[in-house]
Amino acid sequence: NAGVTQTPKFRVLKTGQSMTLLCAQDMNHEYMYWYRQDPGMGLRLIHYSVGEGTTAKGEVPDGYNVSRLKKQNFLLGLESAAPSQTSVYFCATAEQGRNQPQHFGDGTRLSIL
Amino acid sequence: AQSVTQPDIHITVSEGASLELRCNYSYGATPYLFWYVQSPGQGLQLLLKYFSGDTLVQGIKGFEAEFKRSQSSFNLRKPSVHWSDAAEYFCAVGAVAGYALNFGKGTSLLVTP
Repeated sequence: NAGVTQTPKFRVLKTGQSMTLLCAQDMNHEYMYWYRQDPGMGLRLIHYSVGEGTTAKGEVPDGYNVSRLKKQNFLLGLESAAPSQTSVYFCATAEQGRNQPQHFGDGTRLSIL
Repeated sequence: AQSVTQPDIHITVSEGASLELRCNYSYGATPYLFWYVQSPGQGLQLLLKYFSGDTLVQGIKGFEAEFKRSQSSFNLRKPSVHWSDAAEYFCAVGAVAGYALNFGKGTSLLVTP
């Protein structure tokens, strides 16, 4: 039982390049989230999805796009990477309900040169 | 908007000593509160959660937290710290939109012999 799997685990990009981060879950959760973690900032919500085919903006959505074509996958895209997007990205999933805990992947460490 | 503050960026305790990590929340109604732990290079793991009922909640790994509405606090405690408890600890409050989490900036725990 893999839970929440993020690929890739590490990536180095040049400014202006594009890439997609994949989050895959096998827990059949409706809700999925993308956060970024920066030193001294905690985790900040980028985008989230409350079900297949739906997405919504979080606190820091600029420069990112997302898609949820299948319930089990949540993709985070960087169209034109910038050094300010150097961060550790975490995907999380949860069942519906405000009292439900979120389950996190191990993160993707992304460096933009 | 719901938010949490973790006043201590770093805390150092001796192995076997007691631990208290502070968390203050800002929210008008009854908050949904969580504590997560993050070991180096790992994702976040849920320690415990609170949304109603007994204000003293028990979690995994011997941790507990007490909800105090009068002080807007949800402090995490452990009677005797083990070296393996060294990690980053995050307090979070559940948001209404998408049931996302608003995280504090974290407290880094160092355990000395």
